[in-house]
Amino acid sequence: DTEVTQTPKHLVMGMTNKKSLKCEQHMGHRAMYWYKQKAKKPPELMFVYSYEKLSINESVPSRFSPECPNSSLLNLHLHALQPEDSALYLCASSQETSGNRETQYFGPGTRLLVL
Amino acid sequence: EDQVTQSPEALRLQEGESSSLNCSYTVSGLRGLFWYRQDPGKGPEFLFTLYSAGEEKEKERLKATLTKKESFLHITAPKPEDSATYLCAVEGRGSTLGRLYFGRGTQLTVWP
Repeated sequence: DTEVTQTPKHLVMGMTNKKSLKCEQHMGHRAMYWYKQKAKKPPELMFVYSYEKLSINESVPSRFSPECPNSSLLNLHLHALQPEDSALYLCASSQETSGNRETQYFGPGTRLLVL
Repeated sequence: EDQVTQSPEALRLQEGESSSLNCSYTVSGLRGLFWYRQDPGKGPEFLFTLYSAGEEKEKERLKATLTKKESFLHITAPKPEDSATYLCAVEGRGSTLGRLYFGRGTQLTVWP
């Protein structure tokens, strides 16, 4: 099973709202990722968690706040977003063994529209 | 910095017309090269991981090959359901662990 699930599938929010994106995997992977993807562009890495600790933050604005409550769950808290933050938000996970991270498996994404 | 270039940007094939997609890369020591398929509005679907030059992997109508500078995704006798964007990504040994560099993708359309 290589399934990563994401909720919600679609989200519309105003610039003053607070919302959260959720990601879950049950493959025993210890690395989890958030990506942002704009139309006709490749995914852009936002954050990486390794063993529930933040290991990469790609200089993402503080209006995006990641959280990894346990090894299976990854959240992305959203606050005071801008219309240009509208995009497909992708979660991924990978196995991590002996200092290597294996293939990343992606979820279906959350389509976010900021009005 | 690690770089990935995919060509062509778009490819239209008639059903059954075999072809190849190219992924050229520059990386300081390849840790892995990855091929994904992405349908519109969906997350990338994993296809193949290649680790060293000379390696080949196959799945149904797809075959991925790797040299020291590029990878090819060969599509044999494609069907309309193979229409998608195909993304190539690399992870280099000089990069932070887990950071993938993606190409811009090849948008494949297969018409009946």
